[in-house]
Amino acid sequence: AQSVAQPEDQVNVAEGNPLTVKCTYSVSGNPYLFWYVQYPNRGLQFLLKYITGDNLVKGSYGFEAEFNKSQTSFHLKKPSALVSDSALYFCAVRDITSSASKIIFGSGTRLSIRP
Amino acid sequence: NAGVTQTPKFRVLKTGQSMTLLCAQDMNHEYMYWYRQDPGMGLRLIHYSVGEGTTAKGEVPDGYNVSRLKKQNFLLGLESAAPSQTSVYFCASSSWTGNYEQYFGPGTRLTVT
Repeated sequence: AQSVAQPEDQVNVAEGNPLTVKCTYSVSGNPYLFWYVQYPNRGLQFLLKYITGDNLVKGSYGFEAEFNKSQTSFHLKKPSALVSDSALYFCAVRDITSSASKIIFGSGTRLSIRP
Repeated sequence: NAGVTQTPKFRVLKTGQSMTLLCAQDMNHEYMYWYRQDPGMGLRLIHYSVGEGTTAKGEVPDGYNVSRLKKQNFLLGLESAAPSQTSVYFCASSSWTGNYEQYFGPGTRLTVT
């Protein structure tokens, strides 16, 4: 069965410092991996995805993610955090048992950036 | 282009009451989904649809029904609400092109007392 795990419920970072939000995956075959962000009282927004190609994927708002096959990880990163990055972040993986573009979400990591 | 919209935004029900949540999308997407979000559990898929007139069960379908009579609309029904259905409900849509990007509505916060 496919799944993703986000080992940290909360990550706290000072503004201007680099940030990392961790995600590990368990899939059969080639993984399609995603990051979504949820700002307070809003729906989820797509940030970036990895399907194939370069292991470093760039996305919206200056975020990037590094795919590491040997460590089965897909960590979200940003070189310099902003207070406005504070939100709930979800890692997700394609559900290969379905042809309906279904994805499976992790439990989420709350990112808090302090001024 | 409004994207994905949901009505209502908030609702309080008493146990046993029924209601319907409406989702509409204007992107001509084939696939639509209903999720519930509970603290610490991420998003769990309730039901989904691959096209007009078709629906399928997701991970947590019990207590819910859905209908997709028009391509742009996806309705989620609770026939007899229970406190365990207190949650935030999100609708999403995506195209058939296989890019797996889902577009989400703003959510409906439902409380069942």
